[in-house]
Amino acid sequence: LAKTTQPISMDSYEGQEVNITCSHNNIATNDYITWYQQFPSQGPRFIIQGYKTKVTNEVASLFIPADRKSSTLSLPRVSLSDTAVYYCLVGVYGGATNKLIFGTGTLLAVQP
Amino acid sequence: EAEVAQSPRYKITEKSQAVAFWCDPISGHATLYWYRQILGQGPELLVQFQDESVVDDSQLPKDRFSAERLKGVDSTLKIQPAELGDSAMYLCASSAPGQGAILGSYEQYFGPGTRLTVT
Repeated sequence: LAKTTQPISMDSYEGQEVNITCSHNNIATNDYITWYQQFPSQGPRFIIQGYKTKVTNEVASLFIPADRKSSTLSLPRVSLSDTAVYYCLVGVYGGATNKLIFGTGTLLAVQP
Repeated sequence: EAEVAQSPRYKITEKSQAVAFWCDPISGHATLYWYRQILGQGPELLVQFQDESVVDDSQLPKDRFSAERLKGVDSTLKIQPAELGDSAMYLCASSAPGQGAILGSYEQYFGPGTRLTVT
């Protein structure tokens, strides 16, 4: 199966904007790009979802280029509580049905 | 706020034993997923149900794993026999019914997971 890759880790300071990129070369034409946040010993939690261009909600923005082979999660003004692992999730071509593939995950460490 | 329920939260078993996990999705969610997450890695989809039908189980090791969702509501994932390499977090998630051909594209709500340790 195609890999969906992300940087292993990122460091930031409180109040800064953080951008995390996911590469998904084999994304299915008819599927969305979704981002999740995960704290230790918990299930992932939905952050944002989009199909193309830009999507914004109360906690994040998602930028998707025209070819949709990558996406960037933008977290404005991060705080200590944003320290977590962030995953992208996409559907990739896999025969009869699309295959759901989580990215490799990015550990974001926010410092005071 | 409605939540996905999973039990047990923790399970320790010896290799070659049978183990089962239970998941109760959010009411009205037709799509149910079972994931396995090895420490330090992203979740890996094992099986996806749409109501009581399996949509995708291509990554499910069928020689030892089985999953069912008989009435299209709650679900059970079973491992028999368990192996050391099965130690992981097993996550269940559910999502609202999809539309058209876009499956798996809807916001998934995850349960707290079952931490399995095989000794």
